[in-house]
Amino acid sequence: GDSVTQMEGPVTLSEEAFLTINCTYTATGYPSLFWYVQYPGEGLQLLLKATKADDKGSNKGFEATYRKETTSFHLEKGSVQVSDSAVYFCALSNSGYSTLTFGKGTMLLVSP
Amino acid sequence: DAGVIQSPRHEVTEMGQEVTLRCKPISGHNSLFWYRQTMMRGLELLIYFNNNVPIDDSGMPEDRFSAKMPNASFSTLKIQPSEPRDSAVYFCASSPPGTPRTDTQYFGPGTRLTVL
Repeated sequence: GDSVTQMEGPVTLSEEAFLTINCTYTATGYPSLFWYVQYPGEGLQLLLKATKADDKGSNKGFEATYRKETTSFHLEKGSVQVSDSAVYFCALSNSGYSTLTFGKGTMLLVSP
Repeated sequence: DAGVIQSPRHEVTEMGQEVTLRCKPISGHNSLFWYRQTMMRGLELLIYFNNNVPIDDSGMPEDRFSAKMPNASFSTLKIQPSEPRDSAVYFCASSPPGTPRTDTQYFGPGTRLTVL
């Protein structure tokens, strides 16, 4: 079945550092790929998405490129802020409906 | 616009008691999802409704769990009897109609359930 693998956290960075969170997937066909973010005590929010190979999703300075050849969708940001501290989930959708398969999440901690 | 509304936000109960979690999806959305989040297992899809009809309940752990969606604006997830291993955060999410690739889900704030 479909699956998503994310790097384990926590990822600890200083403010203004470069961020990469790795995500790889296993799926048949042509899934859509997502990054969701969960701030403490809140539900998940869609951060960005890409629906086909080579698409780049971007939002709030974050970006990820759908790489079909490496089955990857790594999340990057050039300069993180303390307010980016959260748990980040990679996910895919690969059915005729809207169900999502999530990775286990990666906690990001940014210190001033 | 109001987002997905869940109640209660926190629930503490004793083993063996019945627990009912409630969800109001975003108006106009026709798909609704119930998830469970734990440290050990991450986010798990429990059940998915489309146009109030359960489409996939393969994630429901066992017969103690049941979910209903009597109308487009309300869903419940019931656990009877509850057990300590049911302690988790339960999320409800909804998504709008459209092509199959609409697939963006909007999550509620979650219900943190503790079963003693």
